[in-house]
Amino acid sequence: GAVVSQHPSRVICKSGTSVKIECRSLDFQATTMFWYRQFPKQSLMLMATSNEGSKATYEQGVEKDKFLINHASLTLSTLTVTSAHPEDSSFYICSAPAGTNYGYTFGSGTRLTVV
Amino acid sequence: EDQVTQSPEALRLQEGESSSLNCSYTVSGLRGLFWYRQDPGKGPEFLFTLYSAGEEKEKERLKATLTKKESFLHITAPKPEDSATYLCAVQAGSWGKLQFGAGTQVVVTP
Repeated sequence: GAVVSQHPSRVICKSGTSVKIECRSLDFQATTMFWYRQFPKQSLMLMATSNEGSKATYEQGVEKDKFLINHASLTLSTLTVTSAHPEDSSFYICSAPAGTNYGYTFGSGTRLTVV
Repeated sequence: EDQVTQSPEALRLQEGESSSLNCSYTVSGLRGLFWYRQDPGKGPEFLFTLYSAGEEKEKERLKATLTKKESFLHITAPKPEDSATYLCAVQAGSWGKLQFGAGTQVVVTP
């Protein structure tokens, strides 16, 4: 099946530091990767769309300088939360279209806690 | 603007008690309607994609149906392991963005 591997699953960082989250497509090529965040008991909110080899497209209200997205290869996309603050604490999930049999495949998510 | 509304917000079922979840949508040019299951602390797990009104898909105790304005996820004789949040999402462009509903949290008790 189509698998997106996301790491780390949990990370705790100090306020002001940066954190990188990786998503790798293991058995298919992900030309597009979607990045979501999810607050407790809420649904997924799209943050940005990245395409391999080009700049990411950010949703309205998402700070592109704070959430840096790199999609340098067909199997790897990264999200870096820069100068993290406690309000950035959330569950971050990546997703890629993986064909009609698998729909959009999601990573397992990263729980970010900024202290 | 595309909208996806799921109801009910929460559903508590006895084991074996069948029920249905609703996903109503307004979107220009629906390309696909997706159902996902999400367990706490995990990413959504793909269940179904429906493309056109009248389409139905089944997987074990789950059956999804689609009309021009809404989709239903029927859970037949649920088991405790069916407890999860069920998310509905619509796609309005070719492998474009998904618009998610708020989800229905299902709890199945023995």
